[in-house]
Amino acid sequence: GAGVSQSPRYKVAKRGQDVALRCDPISGHVSLFWYQQALGQGPEFLTYFQNEAQLDKSGLPSDRFFAERPEGSVSTLKIQRTQQEDSAVYLCASSSKIKTGTYEQYFGPGTRLTVT
Amino acid sequence: AQSVSQHNHHVILSEAASLELGCNYSYGGTVNLFWYVQYPGQHLQLLLKYFSGDPLVKGIKGFEAEFIKSKFSFNLRKPSVQWSDTAEYFCAVTSRDTDKLIFGTGTRLQVFP
Repeated sequence: GAGVSQSPRYKVAKRGQDVALRCDPISGHVSLFWYQQALGQGPEFLTYFQNEAQLDKSGLPSDRFFAERPEGSVSTLKIQRTQQEDSAVYLCASSSKIKTGTYEQYFGPGTRLTVT
Repeated sequence: AQSVSQHNHHVILSEAASLELGCNYSYGGTVNLFWYVQYPGQHLQLLLKYFSGDPLVKGIKGFEAEFIKSKFSFNLRKPSVQWSDTAEYFCAVTSRDTDKLIFGTGTRLQVFP
């Protein structure tokens, strides 16, 4: 595709509900990242995949957060038993190169999650 | 741990004014530096990046940034801003041993005609 796409663009969940956020990276990009952006803040790293392998999940705030990328393409970020503090924009980014740290990440439009 | 500081949270300028947005990072090793921009209603886009070499980096739309290693800084500049530069600007860093971007809190720029 032309860019990184994310769905849904907006999600309202009642506290305690489970949600699943989808990311379609740019075709052929091996690296995929998830970030969380709270209101008025910069994006914060959640997790990183290289192909289907989850290489870094140090940013996941709790065990309610789970991410997968089973076929090395589409990724899903799942949040179980949502809490109000989970309200944020969830950004997905992908990149084509493997060499650590020296490549551009292309961002999707984000999913705005509101937990009521 | 790495961190990025952006000292200007909100900047208001008139068209044709000069712009400088501050960015300082804290990390003792070799870093890669980025400026991303988010126009209203749009997704994050890369403005410019520094990996190595000439510390003065030129990006899109007339923006440039200078890496000053001794000051741990990577300030963004533009000699003459336009109304269309109204956006949020984020400084970010990675290092040679991690792929994740560490972002600053962002600077909201408003340019009035």
